[in-house]
Amino acid sequence: QSALTQPPSVSGSPGQSVTISCSGTISDVGSYNRVSWYQQPPGTAPKLMIYEVSYRPSGVPDRFSGSKSGNTASLTISGLQAEDEADYFCISYTSSSTFVFGTGTKVTVL
Amino acid sequence: EVQLVESGGGLVQPGGSLRLSCAASGFTFSNYWLHWVRQAPGKGLEWVSRINSDGSNTSYADSVKDRFTISRDNAKNTLYLQMNSLRAGDTAVYYCARQSKYGLDWWGQGTLLTVSS
Repeated sequence: QSALTQPPSVSGSPGQSVTISCSGTISDVGSYNRVSWYQQPPGTAPKLMIYEVSYRPSGVPDRFSGSKSGNTASLTISGLQAEDEADYFCISYTSSSTFVFGTGTKVTVL
Repeated sequence: EVQLVESGGGLVQPGGSLRLSCAASGFTFSNYWLHWVRQAPGKGLEWVSRINSDGSNTSYADSVKDRFTISRDNAKNTLYLQMNSLRAGDTAVYYCARQSKYGLDWWGQGTLLTVSS
């Protein structure tokens, strides 16, 4: 199972919006809405930010949003803040009853 | 409060074995599916394995299939990962994570496994 493809890095100034893509196949992202996104600041465990493509857990700011089109899921951070600087990973359920993570994206706040 | 605490990591020679543990508290352990996820130094996250709530169903990444075994003891609120035939490529921080309807909603802080001679 190959990792889902994410851009290595994205950046934006405070207040701007950035979008991270997560490209998979018909065997994972394209067939299931079980796509989640995780935020991982350096040296810490991942934190759930989005589940089932577009739902936010309690406590996650509403500037984080998720969507999906075809085999690609996306995470958008609107109104970027300094505290959003971290690595972000997507994960999808697969047709093999396994899970696969994305390659990860480093978000830099300029 | 939900807590997941991994232990058992360390330095192992190639070809060796090790068992990781994940002690859970703060929730009804037997109601949840659990996962192991690993992260090699400076690299991304890699899903390793999953077990259902009563331990009757498991799945593995191709990279660890036939070498790693996930199990759980619901009486002890503990998740395990038995790792055999270890390779240098298995060197990573290993996290346990709880799966809820929201996804992998709680993670431990991880335990480091180093495979080296």
